[in-house]
Amino acid sequence: SQQGEEDPQALSIQEGENATMNCSYKTSINNLQWYRQNSGRGLVHLILIRSNEREKHSGRLRVTLDTSKKSSSLLITASRAADTASYFCATSGWTQGGSEKLVFGKGMKLTVNP
Amino acid sequence: KAGVTQTPRYLIKTRGQQVTLSCSPISGHRSVSWYQQTPGQGLQFLFEYFSETQRNKGNFPGRFSGRQFSNSRSEMNVSTLELGDSALYLCASSSGLTSGGSTDTQYFGPGTRLTVL
Repeated sequence: SQQGEEDPQALSIQEGENATMNCSYKTSINNLQWYRQNSGRGLVHLILIRSNEREKHSGRLRVTLDTSKKSSSLLITASRAADTASYFCATSGWTQGGSEKLVFGKGMKLTVNP
Repeated sequence: KAGVTQTPRYLIKTRGQQVTLSCSPISGHRSVSWYQQTPGQGLQFLFEYFSETQRNKGNFPGRFSGRQFSNSRSEMNVSTLELGDSALYLCASSSGLTSGGSTDTQYFGPGTRLTVL
């Protein structure tokens, strides 16, 4: 399926450390997006990387995309306690049914300890 | 710009009842998508409306339906509620002007927490 899978499912680090989250998917995509969700609230869009891009930066975030390996990684540098949240990758592309939509992975939980 | 708003924020219903949730998108956005989030299944796509037409649909039973009004506001309805419908229902809006199978950035509301007893 198109659904991305985040790895690891949970990560606990100390403030100031870097956090790396990986996402793998199975079908071809047009773009891949990362979102953050604080406990029980709505998702916040972090960054979008298109299939013809390999790397993108936004503040302390760095996203890479390797379409040959069907994988992406999200790096958060110099993490803060406020980065504690669940992170989701979402893939956009054509589905088997001929429609296109955004499909989310199950998410991974990042805990940044002060 | 005001963000995506969802009402109500919390809802408690009993099995067999029906419920209607409302979503007001960001001004100028024509696409509204609905998602169901549960601990076991994660975020699952329900449907997307664009310019009052359902443009996309997930794999949910017919008890789940929606509509979109001319001002882009959207409602989703769940009839004959089951215990398994307890979830956080998220609405997201976007410009909806995709091309080549590329979905653009989704802006999410805070969600409606539905509990079915």
